[in-house]
Amino acid sequence: GDSVTQMEGPVTLSEEAFLTINCTYTATGYPSLFWYVQYPGEGLQLLLKATKADDKGSNKGFEATYRKETTSFHLEKGSVQVSDSAVYFCALSEGMLTGGGNKLTFGTGTQLKVEL
Amino acid sequence: NAGVTQTPKFQVLKTGQSMTLQCAQDMNHNSMYWYRQDPGMGLRLIYYSASEGTTDKGEVPNGYNVSRLNKREFSLRLESAAPSQTSVYFCASSEQQGRTEAFFGQGTRLTVV
Repeated sequence: GDSVTQMEGPVTLSEEAFLTINCTYTATGYPSLFWYVQYPGEGLQLLLKATKADDKGSNKGFEATYRKETTSFHLEKGSVQVSDSAVYFCALSEGMLTGGGNKLTFGTGTQLKVEL
Repeated sequence: NAGVTQTPKFQVLKTGQSMTLQCAQDMNHNSMYWYRQDPGMGLRLIYYSASEGTTDKGEVPNGYNVSRLNKREFSLRLESAAPSQTSVYFCASSEQQGRTEAFFGQGTRLTVV
């Protein structure tokens, strides 16, 4: 079945450092890929997405490129801020659940802590 | 511009008590979902409703029931709470077709003692 593997956290960085959070996936078909962010005490918010190979999703300075050849969707940001401290989830949507609806598969999440 | 709204935000139950978590969305989505989030396990699907009038089991349905009240509302019921159901619960909604994203509520933090 589908699966998503993310790097273990927590990841602790100094402000203005470069961020990479690795994500690889296993899917039988051709999924859409997502990064969600969860700030403390809040729900998941869609950060960016990509729907086909070589697509680059970007938002708020974060980027991720859909790499079909390596089945990866790594999240990057050139200069992190304290306000980026959150948990980041990689996810894929490949097909339909029984009876309809989107089947979303999530990674376990990576906590990012950014310090001054 | 509410999106997905869940109530309550926090709840403490005693073992064996029952409760219903409420969820409503205003995005005219056909599909709605209930997930639970536990440390180190990501999000796991409990139940979903592909469209109004239908519900189906997800990955971890035991101990839960759901009701799709109308297109907007999808509730999750714990009939006899157990400590293993201590978790953060998220409601989400999405378009029914296509490999699209889901939109999430703020979550309900439930503790069963």
